[in-house]
Amino acid sequence: GQQLNQSPQSMFIQEGEDVSMNCTSSSIFNTWLWYKQDPGEGPVLLIALYKAGELTSNGRLTAQFGITRKDSFLNISASIPSDVGIYFCAGPLKDSNYQLIWGAGTKLIIKP
Amino acid sequence: GAGVSQSPRYKVTKRGQDVALRCDPISGHVSLYWYRQALGQGPEFLTYFNYEAQQDKSGLPNDRFSAERPEGSISTLTIQRTEQRDSAMYRCASSLSEKLFFGSGTQLSVL
Repeated sequence: GQQLNQSPQSMFIQEGEDVSMNCTSSSIFNTWLWYKQDPGEGPVLLIALYKAGELTSNGRLTAQFGITRKDSFLNISASIPSDVGIYFCAGPLKDSNYQLIWGAGTKLIIKP
Repeated sequence: GAGVSQSPRYKVTKRGQDVALRCDPISGHVSLYWYRQALGQGPEFLTYFNYEAQQDKSGLPNDRFSAERPEGSISTLTIQRTEQRDSAMYRCASSLSEKLFFGSGTQLSVL
């Protein structure tokens, strides 16, 4: 079935560094969504991508919809302490316009 | 309301008891979802409502789980005869599109 694989599973970085993470699948997706989850809270949508090759920014965050439609990338520039959290990719289940499948998340930890 | 509200925030119950988890979605959002999230994992779909109609309940683990949204707004997820394996974070989300807005969840612990 459809699965989303996120990597890395976790990242330890210094404040100010750039961050890159990705999400891949063996299936084609028509929409890619990137969410961030802070401790104790629900996921919050960061960026939505709808077209292969699309590059979209939200402040210091930039996400790309891969050309093959089987992957997506999220980059964070000049990380700050509040970037800490878990980043999830998600995409619609095939033949569904409402059910999402989710990656397992990339946990971002910033070293003091 | 301003966001999706869930109650209680924490629920501790004994095995075999029934529990009811409440979700108050964002006003005007016709779609409502229930998810379950294990530690270190992404949300797992349970069920979906469009207005008051339960369109999909394929993610409910077994018949001890049920959900309703009688007036197309507030929803209740009920777990009967709880078991320890039911312990998890239960999250509700509402939307007008594919962009989901999540509540803070109910952390259920079954002893």
